[in-house]
Amino acid sequence: SQQGEEDPQALSIQEGENATMNCSYKTSINNLQWYRQNSGRGLVHLILIRSNEREKHSGRLRVTLDTSKKSSSLLITASRAADTASYFCATGFAGGTSYGKLTFGQGTILTVHP
Amino acid sequence: IAGITQAPTSQILAAGRRMTLRCTQDMRHNAMYWYRQDLGLGLRLIHYSNTAGTTGKGEVPDGYSVSRANTDDFPLTLASAVPSQTSVYFCASSERGNNEQFFGPGTRLTVL
Repeated sequence: SQQGEEDPQALSIQEGENATMNCSYKTSINNLQWYRQNSGRGLVHLILIRSNEREKHSGRLRVTLDTSKKSSSLLITASRAADTASYFCATGFAGGTSYGKLTFGQGTILTVHP
Repeated sequence: IAGITQAPTSQILAAGRRMTLRCTQDMRHNAMYWYRQDLGLGLRLIHYSNTAGTTGKGEVPDGYSVSRANTDDFPLTLASAVPSQTSVYFCASSERGNNEQFFGPGTRLTVL
């Protein structure tokens, strides 16, 4: 079963607007990562936030993590048409048999209209 | 080679045939992974390897096998393909577990 659940499943906005995607998970994690996938391509890593971090920035991306609520959000500010893609959260676990493995959510399809 | 490559890009296969999907990375990463991506189900881990010589089962390993004879290569074999294995397959690598993963371009496999 999927560890991460994302919402919304699809998001349609105008260029210049902000886009917010959310991810919830069920069990304790070591880190949470966000990836982007353009149509027909492999996934590209965007940002990693560790379980002891609450917020992280990278360019126009802002990620928050709330371990008490088992949730994360990805904010893309001042969106561009080139941001159109699917966005996935992935959770990494602390150890045992789950060490090193990521579990991906089903993704949010973001469409940014010019 | 730069990064991670997969071959073939796409393949149509008759049910019952054997097929090996190839994956090679030149980043000297310790860990490698195979995922399948199906519409509405996201990415699901098939098999992984934390270091050369070791492999482990992921979420959906049945019908697939892997080997990790060296650091660079991580082939995925379907011993006897079935239509439910129609999917897009992605190989990925990471320096070590729990780090960011680098993905290949994918192999689109259709089993008829």
